[in-house]
Amino acid sequence: NAGVTQTPKFQVLKTGQSMTLQCAQDMNHEYMSWYRQDPGMGLRLIHYSVGAGITDQGEVPNGYNVSRSTTEDFPLRLLSAAPSQTSVYFCASTGLAGYNEQFFGPGTRLTVL
Amino acid sequence: KQEVTQIPAALSVPEGENLVLNCSFTDSAIYNLQWFRQDPGKGLTSLLLIQSSQREQTSGRLNASLDKSSGRSTLYIAASQPGDSATYLCAADRGSTLGRLYFGRGTQLTVWP
Repeated sequence: NAGVTQTPKFQVLKTGQSMTLQCAQDMNHEYMSWYRQDPGMGLRLIHYSVGAGITDQGEVPNGYNVSRSTTEDFPLRLLSAAPSQTSVYFCASTGLAGYNEQFFGPGTRLTVL
Repeated sequence: KQEVTQIPAALSVPEGENLVLNCSFTDSAIYNLQWFRQDPGKGLTSLLLIQSSQREQTSGRLNASLDKSSGRSTLYIAASQPGDSATYLCAADRGSTLGRLYFGRGTQLTVWP
């Protein structure tokens, strides 16, 4: 199993540009989520999904869109990048029954100029 | 909302010492509490998961305990090594929002030879 994979690893954008951060998992997990990590703030939840076709907002959803068309993939879209979105983004997944260990991807480091 | 606090924020010790990292949470109605390790510039590696019905989990030199009634978890590292140097993150879920994790800001550990 590859676990949770994320692409790209690094990205530099200009203010106003849009892009999609990719996340995929091969563990057949129902639950997937996106977090951002900022210095001194810890990890904060952006959006999450409990299954294909179902998404919901987390703590800091503004400026981001998500969709879940398959169990495996959960892309995060930045609609119009702003410098405040400079951060490290992590995708995570877990099953919703039994032993709910969360698995994290390696992260995407995004800089918005 | 679940609030997670980790003490201390930073810890520097000589090799060989036994360490205790503390985590407290405000909502005791949790399903799981999970400890992660994060190396600089890297993703999160799961160390231990304690389910609400358990009081502790052990993996090698690591032991994590959970006291739901007092809202506390402790990560014990025995015979610390320089390779243990990293940031340790505690994350708790909340019974009403299964799957969503609330993170502390971490304890940055340095073990010097």
